[in-house]
Amino acid sequence: SAVISQKPSRDICQRGTSLTIQCQVDSQVTMMFWYRQQPGQSLTLIATANQGSEATYESGFVIDKFPISRPNLTFSTLTVSNMSPEDSSIYLCSVDGPGLQKGEQYFGPGTRLTVT
Amino acid sequence: QKEVEQNSGPLSVPEGAIASLNCTYSDRGSQSFFWYRQYSGKSPELIMSIYSNGDKEDGRFTAQLNKASQYVSLLIRDSQPSDSATYLCAVRTNTGNQFYFGTGTSLTVIP
Repeated sequence: SAVISQKPSRDICQRGTSLTIQCQVDSQVTMMFWYRQQPGQSLTLIATANQGSEATYESGFVIDKFPISRPNLTFSTLTVSNMSPEDSSIYLCSVDGPGLQKGEQYFGPGTRLTVT
Repeated sequence: QKEVEQNSGPLSVPEGAIASLNCTYSDRGSQSFFWYRQYSGKSPELIMSIYSNGDKEDGRFTAQLNKASQYVSLLIRDSQPSDSATYLCAVRTNTGNQFYFGTGTSLTVIP
């Protein structure tokens, strides 16, 4: 499976500011995804990061709040804009498995965000 | 109705016992089913995938799929304290990008 890294691993931010999270994969992947996992909860898909076009957002998530970039097949960023304490969460990027492992998703280590 | 449902637990089993984790899903057209293990403070780790009805074994883990009943299970044989984690069931629908997670079952293996 691909090796996925995320930066930063954690951050504490003030409300009203923005944070950009980076996701880097060691091989080219077709699909990249961004998830949120709030404390004690399961994973919720925020959006699919599409290379060369706008991200596809899930219900309840909008581009103004969570702008996403995908400049190439190994890198994506998620920005959490105008943060509030409710945005405190773990943000995870994931990628589709390559080749025969299609359908599986592999996760990065996550970014733990605390908004004060 | 949630797309994927799991008993939240917590589930406690003694070391060496079989742990049984269950999951149901609502989209009858779903084709791909996965079990992830998540240790506290870590990201989910894929441990099993299953695509066809029946059993799939990998070491101490066995995934079972029954599409008619829309039911997926994970059995962990000879449970070890290191198996203590939250287990997430995930289902990928026919539309491809729709990947739904259950809320997870917390498993504790007691030495």
